[in-house]
Amino acid sequence: GEDVEQSLFLSVREGDSSVINCTYTDSSSTYLYWYKQEPGAGLQLLTYIFSNMDMKQDQRLTVLLNKKDKHLSLRIADTQTGDSAIYFCAERGTGANNLFFGTGTRLTVIP
Amino acid sequence: DTEVTQTPKHLVMGMTNKKSLKCEQHMGHRAMYWYKQKAKKPPELMFVYSYEKLSINESVPSRFSPECPNSSLLNLHLHALQPEDSALYLCASSQGSQGFRGELFFGEGSRLTVL
Repeated sequence: GEDVEQSLFLSVREGDSSVINCTYTDSSSTYLYWYKQEPGAGLQLLTYIFSNMDMKQDQRLTVLLNKKDKHLSLRIADTQTGDSAIYFCAERGTGANNLFFGTGTRLTVIP
Repeated sequence: DTEVTQTPKHLVMGMTNKKSLKCEQHMGHRAMYWYKQKAKKPPELMFVYSYEKLSINESVPSRFSPECPNSSLLNLHLHALQPEDSALYLCASSQGSQGFRGELFFGEGSRLTVL
């Protein structure tokens, strides 16, 4: 089955940039997504990227996709304490009616 | 309206109880999902309904029984659960058609504790 890996923890200082990385194995992935989950809450869709793109920017968020290496990253500029959460990458394969989630990265922002 | 609404937010039940989790969306989405999430883990898919028909059942024990009364509603009936079934149960929906971005919109979850 699909395998989506992320590092478990990341700590940054308020105002710095955060970079959260994700690797996946399914070369047929069509869309890749980033979700944010705050404690005790559901998953909030942050952004997505189509597999034929290599970069997407949306306000403070920049998504980079290296399809050759099957590597996805999410950069958060000017990280704020409200950005502290768990971030999941997810991928959807061709014809799939489901998303496969990464292991999640817990981002801690230090004031 | 981009909300997926789940009730109840919290549920405590004994192993002999019968209870139900409910999910509702009014975005016109035709695919609805149940995920189970244990602490510090990613969501795990349980069931997918596409156009009100069960399309994916990820080998979930029969003590979990999904139901899709119409395209806006999804239920999860619970009976004879075990303490290890305690988790956050997430409902999601998507447009459900190929060719769309396919992102899932999640509810806030129902936190279930089985005593």
